Amino acid sequence: KAGVTQTPRYLIKTRGQQVTLSCSPISGHRSVSWYQQTPGQGLQFLFEYFSETQRNKGNFPGRFSGRQFSNSRSEMNVSTLELGDSALYLCASSIPTGSYEQYFGPGTRLTVT
Amino acid sequence: AQSVSQHNHHVILSEAASLELGCNYSYGGTVNLFWYVQYPGQHLQLLLKYFSGDPLVKGIKGFEAEFIKSKFSFNLRKPSVQWSDTAEYFCAVSTSGGSYIPTFGRGTSLIVHP
Repeated sequence: KAGVTQTPRYLIKTRGQQVTLSCSPISGHRSVSWYQQTPGQGLQFLFEYFSETQRNKGNFPGRFSGRQFSNSRSEMNVSTLELGDSALYLCASSIPTGSYEQYFGPGTRLTVT
Repeated sequence: AQSVSQHNHHVILSEAASLELGCNYSYGGTVNLFWYVQYPGQHLQLLLKYFSGDPLVKGIKGFEAEFIKSKFSFNLRKPSVQWSDTAEYFCAVSTSGGSYIPTFGRGTSLIVHP
C-alpha cells in the first residue's frame, strides 16, 4: 500500500500571503488529521476530517482551515501568513476505530519570510 | 484535556548504552499509548503502542515500553542503543471514549555517538 503523501514538500512564502497544502491518505483511510510541528513544541493538533466533515479541531486561529474531498484527500489552507507559521506541517491518516493508530506523511516544510 | 510530558528534551549516549525516555500523561481514564520515532529526514513512524493487556509492550528495533498506570507513565527503553537510533522520539496518548485524537509530547532528541 502506498503511504501518506503530501505536496509540496517545501514552500517559501512571504508574510501576508496564503498557502494551500495537500495530503493524500492511505487508500481506505477516511480520517485525515493535520499537525504543526515546531522545534521544542512537538506536534500541535490542527484539525481532523472524516467523511468530508471537520470532526475535531485544535486550538489554532481561524486563519488555519481545511477541507476533505470525497476521495478522502485533504487540503489545509493558511491565510495571511505570519512568521510564526513557519513549521513542518504533518498529515496523518487513520482508520478511526479501536486504537486510532495514525500513519504520517513526510510533511510540508513551510518557511515564511 | 490530557497533557503529555517528556522529561528529557535532549539525550546523548554512546553506542551500547542503555536508554530510558520518560513519558507521563495526565488523564485518569482509559488511555491508548504510543511512541513514535522520527529519523533524520524521514517521516514520523510508529515504534510501539499499548491498548490493553500486558503493560510491557515490545516494538520494532528492540524497543520496549512499560505502562505503569499508578504512575501515569509509559517509559520507552532499549537495553543497548545503536548509532542508527539517533532520532526524535515522541510519546502520544489518546483517550478511549473521548475525541481519540492523540496528544503528543514535545519530543526527545536522541543522539547516539558511535
